[in-house]
Amino acid sequence: DAKTTQPNSMESNEEEPVHLPCNHSTISGTDYIHWYRQLPSQGPEYVIHGLTSNVNNRMASLAIAEDRKSSTLILHRATLRDAAVYYCILSALDSNYQLIWGAGTKLIIKP
Amino acid sequence: NAGVTQTPKFRVLKTGQSMTLLCAQDMNHEYMYWYRQDPGMGLRLIHYSVGEGTTAKGEVPDGYNVSRLKKQNFLLGLESAAPSQTSVYFCASSYQRESVDTQYFGPGTRLTVL
Repeated sequence: DAKTTQPNSMESNEEEPVHLPCNHSTISGTDYIHWYRQLPSQGPEYVIHGLTSNVNNRMASLAIAEDRKSSTLILHRATLRDAAVYYCILSALDSNYQLIWGAGTKLIIKP
Repeated sequence: NAGVTQTPKFRVLKTGQSMTLLCAQDMNHEYMYWYRQDPGMGLRLIHYSVGEGTTAKGEVPDGYNVSRLKKQNFLLGLESAAPSQTSVYFCASSYQRESVDTQYFGPGTRLTVL
């Protein structure tokens, strides 16, 4: 199974941009990259996903490296409500596109 | 819309007891999933369903059974609970398969097996 590597935790200041990195060096051409986040004591929440091209939505941007071996989730202006665990997840053809979750990055926002 | 709801929110079982967790969604989604999440870890897929009357095994199916008799409901059963099944259980649903579609999650059921 294709796996991802993320830092255990990151800190950022409120109202500043946040760049959350993810390495997925064994990704194959048909694997999708997903980001979900989980606020304390809640179920996960979809953030963004992509395959090859960079993606933008109202919550965040996803920047995918040209070789697809890494990606970065960008929160353009973090607020205290963005404090959560952020999961970078691959869905792979060889695992029937099931989401394979790692331990995620705990994002701490300082006021 | 309520989205994805789960019943119950909390439960304590003794080893060997059985129980059923209920997941309901009102978004007319075809796909539904059951995950478990242990402390400090990501989610692991237990079983999933690609439509009414169909189910399939995920990453950690042992000790669990599921049924999808109605499109809007997905039931997770524990026939003989074990302490290793102490976890938080999340249900999710999506319109299409995971690779191209958002999964919507319920609030979770916290299960403790003594």
